[in-house]
Amino acid sequence: QSALTQPPSASGSPGQSVTISCTGTSSDVGAYNYVSWYQQHPGKAPKLMIYEVTKRPSGVPDRFSGSKSGNTASLTVSGLQAEDEADYYCTSYAGSNNLVFGGGTKLTVL
Amino acid sequence: QLQLQESGPGLVKPSETLSLTCTVSGGSISSNDYYWGCIRQPPGKGLEWIGNIYNSGAAYYNPSLKSRVTMSVDMSKKQFSLNLRSVTAADTAVYYCASGPGSVWFYSYGMDVWGQGTTVTVSS
Repeated sequence: QSALTQPPSASGSPGQSVTISCTGTSSDVGAYNYVSWYQQHPGKAPKLMIYEVTKRPSGVPDRFSGSKSGNTASLTVSGLQAEDEADYYCTSYAGSNNLVFGGGTKLTVL
Repeated sequence: QLQLQESGPGLVKPSETLSLTCTVSGGSISSNDYYWGCIRQPPGKGLEWIGNIYNSGAAYYNPSLKSRVTMSVDMSKKQFSLNLRSVTAADTAVYYCASGPGSVWFYSYGMDVWGQGTTVTVSS
């Protein structure tokens, strides 16, 4: 199985919006509405930010939103804040009880 | 609230078995409220799903690791565990325990409780 494709880096200034893409195939991202996003600060465990493409777990700010078009899912962070600087990973169901992660994107707040 | 704590060997020799134990506190491991999972992260690299297990015993593994992985739940000890056989240097990573709501498929909601992770190095 191949990892989902994410850009290695993304950046934005405080207050701006930034979108991170996650490209898969018609067998994973394109086939199921089971895309999740995780935020990971250096040396910390990941934190679930988005599930089922667009849904936010309780406690996640509504500045974080998810979407999907075809084989590509996206995470948008609006009103960037310094604490949003972290690595972000997407994951998708790939059928047959299999999960696949993206390679991760380092988000820098300028 | 639910908390997870990993305990691992720190150092494992090539070809041996890596055993990771995750201790559950702040919640009932014996209820069907949770499923359990293991994820790893090689140094400087991204996350890799290893597998998930429900209290029913139903377990699901990454196809690339499936031949070497076994997960189990010990409710009496409030622990779940991972065994990874025939390790090589490529298995060197931070290993995380995680959990999600047991009422749904593990791939739908995702994992919302994580341990702090434990570093395992494979070296002779």
